[in-house]
Amino acid sequence: AQSVTQPDIHITVSEGASLELRCNYSYGATPYLFWYVQSPGQGLQLLLKYFSGDTLVQGIKGFEAEFKRSQSSFNLRKPSVHWSDAAEYFCASGSSNTGKLIFGQGTTLQVKP
Amino acid sequence: NAGVTQTPKFQVLKTGQSMTLQCAQDMNHEYMSWYRQDPGMGLRLIHYSVGAGITDQGEVPNGYNVSRSTTEDFPLRLLSAAPSQTSVYFCASSSGPLNEKLFFGSGTQLSVL
Repeated sequence: AQSVTQPDIHITVSEGASLELRCNYSYGATPYLFWYVQSPGQGLQLLLKYFSGDTLVQGIKGFEAEFKRSQSSFNLRKPSVHWSDAAEYFCASGSSNTGKLIFGQGTTLQVKP
Repeated sequence: NAGVTQTPKFQVLKTGQSMTLQCAQDMNHEYMSWYRQDPGMGLRLIHYSVGAGITDQGEVPNGYNVSRSTTEDFPLRLLSAAPSQTSVYFCASSSGPLNEKLFFGSGTQLSVL
């Protein structure tokens, strides 16, 4: 069955430190993969997406993610975190067969000054 | 350009009552979906539609009905509200479920007493 797992519920990093948020998907074929961010009281904003081609994708706000088929992962990274990056991050996987877009449980990022 | 419009923004129901959450988009999007967001659970897909007259179940469809008589509208009906349906509900649309980002409504905060 199609599923998305974000193993880390809550992550705290210091401002200026690097960040990696983990995402694992379960799907037979090559999935369509997304990362969204939700700031408190706000809607969801698309950070980046992967459909095919280069496995390292660049997104907005300095984020990037790498698709690793062998590990069924699509981890989100940022070299230097800013205080404004504090938010909840959602990984999502889409099925080309069904059209369903399934989200993970989310990871809350806290940034220490 | 209104985008995705959800009404109401807040609603309190008593157990057993029925109601309809409205969702309308003015972008001529074929794909529309409903999610519920609960702490620690991420966004879970309730129902989705790939075009007028076509709907399908998501991850958590029980207790909810949908219909898609027009491209613009995708209402979500709670048949007999239960406390377990207390949640924040988001409607989303896109030109295709996987090719473009989802445009989200502002959400409906529903409490069932």
